[in-house]
Amino acid sequence: QKEVEQNSGPLSVPEGAIASLNCTYSDRGSQSFFWYRQYSGKSPELIMSIYSNGDKEDGRFTAQLNKASQYVSLLIRDSQPSDSATYLCAVNQPTDYKLSFGAGTTVTVRA
Amino acid sequence: GAGVSQSPSNKVTEKGKDVELRCDPISGHTALYWYRQSLGQGLEFLIYFQGNSAPDKSGLPSDRFSAERTGGSVSTLTIQRTQQEDSAVYLCASTLSGGDYGYTFGSGTRLTVV
Repeated sequence: QKEVEQNSGPLSVPEGAIASLNCTYSDRGSQSFFWYRQYSGKSPELIMSIYSNGDKEDGRFTAQLNKASQYVSLLIRDSQPSDSATYLCAVNQPTDYKLSFGAGTTVTVRA
Repeated sequence: GAGVSQSPSNKVTEKGKDVELRCDPISGHTALYWYRQSLGQGLEFLIYFQGNSAPDKSGLPSDRFSAERTGGSVSTLTIQRTQQEDSAVYLCASTLSGGDYGYTFGSGTRLTVV
């Protein structure tokens, strides 16, 4: 079982719609969760971090965490063509000081 | 510096040559990571530094790969006798400490072995 799994893409959404990205993780001891955005040909950029159960909103982005279900998600509201990118879920591994990354979900926003 | 700096941004080398990739992390970040990303693929962990020591080298693909970090700052990833399968983008990231904080990535070095 992979440490971090993301829903397979690609995900295509119309402009203005909500894009929903899902991620599950295997280590119940994980406490820190992150979403990165990676544009084609660029390096990953941290866009959201979440540490407590519930929702965290930042502009058009909302991260949701449910530790009991070992599930973290990212919602992108009012999707824009500039949101077209690959989104990586990352989860800390409490025993070895590094993040585990999912394979990423590619999102395409159709104008 | 303000961000993680990597050099060179692009490197084309002939098969069999050695290459050195450099990473200058954010000032004060004690943890430094090297990842590799092949075209269209996910992030492949290579090595982790805490200060100048490397507690986790488990991702280095072969003994042709080595890395060091000096002064708790700059790190160099060296690939000896490069092979075509080494072609990838090599990403460096730094953070305050371990995995509790998000990483900041550099812009990467695109290595092409011809």
